[in-house]
Amino acid sequence: DTEVTQTPKHLVMGMTNKKSLKCEQHMGHRAMYWYKQKAKKPPELMFVYSYEKLSINESVPSRFSPECPNSSLLNLHLHALQPEDSALYLCASSQTGGNNEQFFGPGTRLTVL
Amino acid sequence: QQPVQSPQAVILREGEDAVINCSSSKALYSVHWYRQKHGEAPVFLMILLKGGEQKGHEKISASFNEKKQQSSLYLTASQLSYSGTYFCGTGRTQGGSEKLVFGKGTKLTVNP
Repeated sequence: DTEVTQTPKHLVMGMTNKKSLKCEQHMGHRAMYWYKQKAKKPPELMFVYSYEKLSINESVPSRFSPECPNSSLLNLHLHALQPEDSALYLCASSQTGGNNEQFFGPGTRLTVL
Repeated sequence: QQPVQSPQAVILREGEDAVINCSSSKALYSVHWYRQKHGEAPVFLMILLKGGEQKGHEKISASFNEKKQQSSLYLTASQLSYSGTYFCGTGRTQGGSEKLVFGKGTKLTVNP
């Protein structure tokens, strides 16, 4: 199974809502990533988890809160977002150690009203 | 620092060749290539490492010039399925995982 799944596919939320994005993989990867991608732009790294511990936080605002409850799951908790946070949120996973292929999920398209 | 890709866009007829370039003003340790079709997730193509090692799909050809801090992706005898946006990413291992910074992308369109 070389698939990364993400739910939901689409999410519309108000600026006062709290929601969560979910990512799952069963490839035994111990590195998991969150990226943000705006239209016609490249993916931008937000967070990296390695062995379920946060290893990279690219100075992301605290209204985004990642969580890695186990080696297969990655969540992104959203609270008090701004309209400019509307984007495609991609999850990826890879083997640890660097210089490894990252497997991307299909993404969650988020719209903040 | 974000790598620079060129060209920004290229249009080909099926069967034609193309080269996509990626350069960095900083020393490169590795270069990663991904293709993203419209509305889909990025898909891995290749990793090129210092010292000449390559990991990736056999049908893809790429080069890595460490001195010039450049990488090039060669798409030969293009097929319709090659259409998409190609991203190069400069990689750096940190905390046991990979920190990738992607270039702005090169949009490739292959027409019949």
